[in-house]
Amino acid sequence: RKEVEQDPGPFNVPEGATVAFNCTYSNSASQSFFWYRQDCRKEPKLLMSVYSSGNEDGRFTAQLNRASQYISLLIRDSKLSDSATYLCVVFDSGGYNKLIFGAGTRLAVHP
Amino acid sequence: EPEVTQTPSHQVTQMGQEVILRCVPISNHLYFYWYRQILGQKVEFLVSFYNNEISEKSEIFDDQFSVERPDGSNFTLKIRSTKLEDSAMYFCASSEGASSGNTIYFGEGSWLTVV
Repeated sequence: RKEVEQDPGPFNVPEGATVAFNCTYSNSASQSFFWYRQDCRKEPKLLMSVYSSGNEDGRFTAQLNRASQYISLLIRDSKLSDSATYLCVVFDSGGYNKLIFGAGTRLAVHP
Repeated sequence: EPEVTQTPSHQVTQMGQEVILRCVPISNHLYFYWYRQILGQKVEFLVSFYNNEISEKSEIFDDQFSVERPDGSNFTLKIRSTKLEDSAMYFCASSEGASSGNTIYFGEGSWLTVV
């Protein structure tokens, strides 16, 4: 089983749509989780951390379900500028500040 | 905002040649990393470096690879005898601390093409 698994997409949505991405992770001991955003041929950039209680940052909402080892990202009112690949990332607490990346879910927002 | 800088942005090299990728981490950061991303694949951890020594390395980081902090500002990745499958984007990263609360900042990457 892959350490971090994501639906590769692509998700093609119109501007203004709400879109949700899912992610599962294999290591039940994992404690910290993140969503990164990666534009084509660019570096990953931290979008938001994911907390147990769920957290929101503007149009973005992240949720964590530890029992199911499941993480989600909801984007409301999609903008053209949201088009990117969204990476689910798990902090490997057994390692030395090592991040384990999912393969990413591609989002394309069209007018 | 402070940033991690990498050079070169793109390098083409012949198979079997040695390559050095350079990075300048954020100045007050103590932990340094190299990750790589083969085209169309996920970002993969290569190595972490702290206090002038390797803290952890992945299976990918074999004897072909080495890292060094030759002075107070640069952090380098050397790939000896490059292979075609080493073609990838190599990202340098740094962080202030080692806990999950410390954001890891990535450089823009060095795209390596081995021909």
